[in-house]
Amino acid sequence: EPEVTQTPSHQVTQMGQEVILRCVPISNHLYFYWYRQILGQKVEFLVSFYNNEISEKSEIFDDQFSVERPDGSNFTLKIRSTKLEDSAMYFCASSSQTGRNSPLHFGNGTRLTVT
Amino acid sequence: GQQVMQIPQYQHVQEGEDFTTYCNSSTTLSNIQWYKQRPGGHPVFLIQLVKSGEVKKQKRLTFQFGEAKKNSSLHITATQTTDVGTYFCADRDDKIIFGKGTRLHILP
Repeated sequence: EPEVTQTPSHQVTQMGQEVILRCVPISNHLYFYWYRQILGQKVEFLVSFYNNEISEKSEIFDDQFSVERPDGSNFTLKIRSTKLEDSAMYFCASSSQTGRNSPLHFGNGTRLTVT
Repeated sequence: GQQVMQIPQYQHVQEGEDFTTYCNSSTTLSNIQWYKQRPGGHPVFLIQLVKSGEVKKQKRLTFQFGEAKKNSSLHITATQTTDVGTYFCADRDDKIIFGKGTRLHILP
């Protein structure tokens, strides 16, 4: 069964550094998402992306964050100048269509630790 | 914005006992999706409910959507250790807004 893959599985960075989290969505999917989950808390929506542009973003997704689809397969989340509170599990997800009838397929996540 | 509330936050049950988690919204939902996240894992889609009053079953799992489409429930019959995890309901619109989830712990 096709999977969403994320790399790296674990990223440790120092406060103030930039990180790029990478995702390869399922190949025929058109809609891409980033979520984050702080340890023990709920899965929080960050951003959705379609047709090479952001569809929607949450309050969390401020100027520190950006997303990009640099080629036909990768979908990246960049965090500039990381803060301690950015430590979390970041999940990429994709779906074949948006709206009301499609499930999200999640990757295994990247655990980001900011020290 | 849309708020999806889920109760209880935690549930400990003896293996073999039943388990239910409830999802409530302040506004009418277009549809609702349920996901399961195993410890250390990622959310995995279980099911989607669309119609008012809809009931769907997956083996020991029964999902219901309220008549007013403002609440939903997941009931597990005769829990097993493989049921351990966090169960999330999610309002499925153009994006997904997850509830806080119910963490199920099974006592052997």
